[in-house]
This record gives sequence, structure tokens and C-alpha cells, in this order.
Amino acid sequence: EVQVLESGGGLVQPGGSLRVSCAGSGFTFSNYAMTWVRQAPGKGLEWVSCISGGADGTYYADPVRGRFTISRDNSKNTLYLQMNTLTVEDTALYYCAKSRTGTSCYEGLEHWGLGTLVTVSS
Amino acid sequence: DIVMTQSPDSLAVSLGERATISCKSSQSLLYSSDNQNYLGWYQQKPGQPPKLLIYWASNREFGVPDRFSGSGSGTDFTLTISSLQAEDVAVYYCQQYFSVPFTFGPGTKVHIK
Repeated sequence: EVQVLESGGGLVQPGGSLRVSCAGSGFTFSNYAMTWVRQAPGKGLEWVSCISGGADGTYYADPVRGRFTISRDNSKNTLYLQMNTLTVEDTALYYCAKSRTGTSCYEGLEHWGLGTLVTVSS
Repeated sequence: DIVMTQSPDSLAVSLGERATISCKSSQSLLYSSDNQNYLGWYQQKPGQPPKLLIYWASNREFGVPDRFSGSGSGTDFTLTISSLQAEDVAVYYCQQYFSVPFTFGPGTKVHIK
């Protein structure tokens, strides 16, 4: 069974840093692009970042470019999102999701985790 | 950036009736090299992560009931629920994956009349 499981969320002060992770199982992790999507409380979905299966392509939304870094360790079947210089606007549930069929980010998102909550507050 | 809009914001439909959601993009999502529209539809029920319903604008994901269908091309797309069931109460989002950033629409909330 395909599963993705996020972890690492928590409370962080404005200006601080946090790294969230996403563990994949039930599929060949390196064969799929992985994406982070966030959802602020009571709000809609916001695409954040994607990394191709071989990590040769990384893409970011404008609000996070230069502050967030997406990476993956295919030997550990794990996706990461390093978040620096956090602001209150980054408060959200962070989902990771697997691309539907392959290593490209230019696809629909087939399997989603339950999310990990990041709260930025003083 | 490609801007995605959806209408209506909210939709009340009687059980067994048709629900239609519109999604428009600020530029064409049709890629000429493969003749695919780079658009997906997602369903998000309260307290749950989103679920992919439709990919390439009109292809139903495995296991999705056939009362869900997607149509459209270029900049205008539609998600249709042919006969609304109680379990279809959710927020529905369209998303373009034609160009980065892969933007979502604001969502359409579907509930029972």
C-alpha cells in the first residue's frame, strides 16, 4: 500500500527555522517526483515546492523561494523541506504528495499524507 | 503566474441532482507537444487530505466513481457530479501543472440542499 507520512511540524518563533520530513513507503521512491502543498487554517490549498525523482529539478512558489529548500534522500525514501526565516504567513498544515506516474513534477498529485502542522508565532 | 478561478464559490445541490463546477485559467493549459491539458481536480472532505479525482482534465483516477467527470480544454474546464451523493459533500479544487508555480483554484464548496 502506498503511504506518505509527514513529520517534524511544531511551534517556531518568527524568523526561526524548521525542517519537516515526509517518509514514503509502498512504492519505489526514487521513481516519483514529490511535492509540498500547504493549507493555512480555514483556507485553500497552496502549492509550495516540488522535486523531481532524481532530484535534478527543484521548483518553488514565489513566497518561499530563497527561504525554503526542498531535498530528498532516495536511500532513505524521505523528502524534506527546510524552512528558514519563517513568518506568521507560513503557518499552515504542510502536506507532501506523490506524483501520479513518474519522476516529473508536471503531473497530478496522487497520494497525499495527513500533513504536519507548522505554527509560526511569538 | 497562471491564475486559476473557480465558480461558484459554494454550491447547494439536492441528492441525486447534478453539480457543475467551473474552473478557468488565465492562460491555456493545453500543451501542443502531447495534446494534453495540464489540469487536475481534487476533492477535500473535512479533516482529510485532498484526493485526486481527475487528471489531464478528463481522465478519472482509478477507483473514482463514474458520476465524476471532467471536461474542457485550453482555459475553460468543468467538473461534473452527475448524481450527487451524501458522501460527495466536500471542497473541490482545480490545479494547473502546466507551468511553475502549479497553482490551485480557490475551491468550490459543495453541500446538500
